[in-house]
Amino acid sequence: QVQLVESGGGLVKPGGSLRLSCAVSGITFSSFYMSWIRQAPGRGLEWVSYISGGSTVISYADSVKGRFTISRDNAKNLVFLQMNSLRAEDMAVYYCVRGMPWGAYWGQGALVTVSS
Amino acid sequence: EIVLTQSPATLSVSPGERATLSCRASQSASTNLAWYQQKPGQAPRILIYDASTRATGVPARFSGSGSGTEFTLTISSLQSEDFAVYYCQQYNNWRTFGQGTKLEIK
Repeated sequence: QVQLVESGGGLVKPGGSLRLSCAVSGITFSSFYMSWIRQAPGRGLEWVSYISGGSTVISYADSVKGRFTISRDNAKNLVFLQMNSLRAEDMAVYYCVRGMPWGAYWGQGALVTVSS
Repeated sequence: EIVLTQSPATLSVSPGERATLSCRASQSASTNLAWYQQKPGQAPRILIYDASTRATGVPARFSGSGSGTEFTLTISSLQSEDFAVYYCQQYNNWRTFGQGTKLEIK
């Protein structure tokens, strides 16, 4: 059974940083692309970033390019999203997702609140 | 960027009836389109990918069709558990989502 569990969400001030983690079980982790997708109230779903199994292919939405960094640790079955220079418009539930180019399996989400 | 427009925003249908949801792309998405179902407090669940292929475990009453700029999700006989929000997503050019259609009980 595939399980994805996000952690690291919380309240951060504009301009601040936050690192999300996602622990994955039930799959041969290193074989799969992993993604982060976010959902903000009133702004719908947005694909934020993805990373290939060997970390050789990485891509970002234009809205986060230069501010967010995706990475993974295949030895520990973890994927990360380092978020810097956070803005109000980054406030959302962030989902860890296995699957590319569609989301086959989703975590329960981590809420990121950006507010002073 | 490919913009996806879903219609209607809200669809009211009685249990047992057929529901037809539309997704229109601002430029061709070929057949690179997926459909998701989302219930309150839950993450989206994949239903359809490649425009018409049902994901594992998805009931046969869900079907997808279309190509290019016009896509349809059809639920042949609505069950109580099908009332939810449905999103389309294209992956022909990066990945973008539609704004969703809320399927509610009539």
